[in-house]
Amino acid sequence: GNSVTQMEGPVTLSEEAFLTINCTYTATGYPSLFWYVQYPGEGLQLLLKATKADDKGSNKGFEATYRKETTSFHLEKGSVQVSDSAVYFCALSQAGTALIFGKGTTLSVSS
Amino acid sequence: GAGVSQSPSNKVTEKGKDVELRCDPISGHTALYWYRQSLGQGLEFLIYFQGNSAPDKSGLPSDRFSAERTGGSVSTLTIQRTQQEDSAVYLCASSLDQRGTSGSHEQYFGPGTRLTVT
Repeated sequence: GNSVTQMEGPVTLSEEAFLTINCTYTATGYPSLFWYVQYPGEGLQLLLKATKADDKGSNKGFEATYRKETTSFHLEKGSVQVSDSAVYFCALSQAGTALIFGKGTTLSVSS
Repeated sequence: GAGVSQSPSNKVTEKGKDVELRCDPISGHTALYWYRQSLGQGLEFLIYFQGNSAPDKSGLPSDRFSAERTGGSVSTLTIQRTQQEDSAVYLCASSLDQRGTSGSHEQYFGPGTRLTVT
């Protein structure tokens, strides 16, 4: 069945450091891929998405590229801020189906 | 506009009691999903509604769990004879019709109901 694997956390960085959170997936066909973020005390919200191979999703300085050849959708940001501290979830979805989430990666950024 | 709302925000119940959790989706969203978030299991899908019908109930963990949706809007998740392992945050999400879209529509999540079974 479909699945998502993302790097375990926690990830601890200093402000302005480069961030990469790895995400790989297993799916038949061509799923849509998402990164969701959960800030402390808040609900899940969409960070970015990509719906087909080679698409790049971007938002708030974060980017991820849909790589079908490596079945990956790694999240990157060039310079993290303290306000980026949150739990990040990689997810996939196919037509008419629910999101399948990775286990989440906790990011802590210190000043 | 109004987002997805859920009630109650917190629920503490005794083992063996029944509970009902409510979800109000965004107006016009025909797809509605229930998920569960727990420390040990992460985010798990429970059930998906398209309109009032549930084409995918594969995530419901046992027959103690059921859900319904009326009028293509409000949904209720019912857990009968609650057990301690049911303790979790129950999340509801809604989206535009996903059919024929490769699942590309964003799902908007509610704030969740934190269920504690004592």
